[in-house]
Amino acid sequence: QVQLVESGGGLVKPGGSLRLSCAASGFTLTDYYMTWIRQAPGKGLEWISYIKSGDETIFSADSLKGRFTISRDSVKNSVFLHMNSLRVEDTAVYYCARVVDFWNYFYFDFWGPGTLVTVSS
Amino acid sequence: SSELTQDPAVSVALGQTVRITCQGESLRKYYASWYQQKPGQAPVLVIYGKNNRPSGVPDRFSASSSGNTVSLTITGAQAEDEADYYCCSRDNNDYHYVFGSGTKVSVL
Repeated sequence: QVQLVESGGGLVKPGGSLRLSCAASGFTLTDYYMTWIRQAPGKGLEWISYIKSGDETIFSADSLKGRFTISRDSVKNSVFLHMNSLRVEDTAVYYCARVVDFWNYFYFDFWGPGTLVTVSS
Repeated sequence: SSELTQDPAVSVALGQTVRITCQGESLRKYYASWYQQKPGQAPVLVIYGKNNRPSGVPDRFSASSSGNTVSLTITGAQAEDEADYYCCSRDNNDYHYVFGSGTKVSVL
């Protein structure tokens, strides 16, 4: 069965860096787009970035100003989120999700349980 | 970038029907997907495409669209439907995704 499990969250100081991992099982990672989504405490969902299957083209939210980068390791069947120049407002639960994208519609059919990132001095 | 607007909260009596709306210009071109999120849990997909339910989602959940508005309808709401609901679609640059602001559904 499909399973996604995030790891790598924790407490980090403002200006610091962190790498989140998302281990996938039950499917071949490279056959799907994969995405990261976050949710600040008490707030709504915010899309961060996705990486396409095949050519690994990446798209990311403009609001992140290039501080976050998604990547993929097909051997480890894992997706990563590299986060730099972290700010207090980046404090959130970070989810990875599998994407099914048919252009005029898409959906996130499987989600991990999330990993909490806390940015604080 | 595009925005998707949802009402912050709605309430529904047990067994009655509730409609949750999501508005945005990109919805004239793209369908939305809908996610249910209960406290402390990851979101769960409930509707995608024109009106498709993943396996395991009850048929009381349905979707419709008109112009720049998409709607999620729960017909015969149950206590377990109390949750936050989010729509999601592309934004106006076509390659980015965007979530609605979320609607808290209370079942009375």
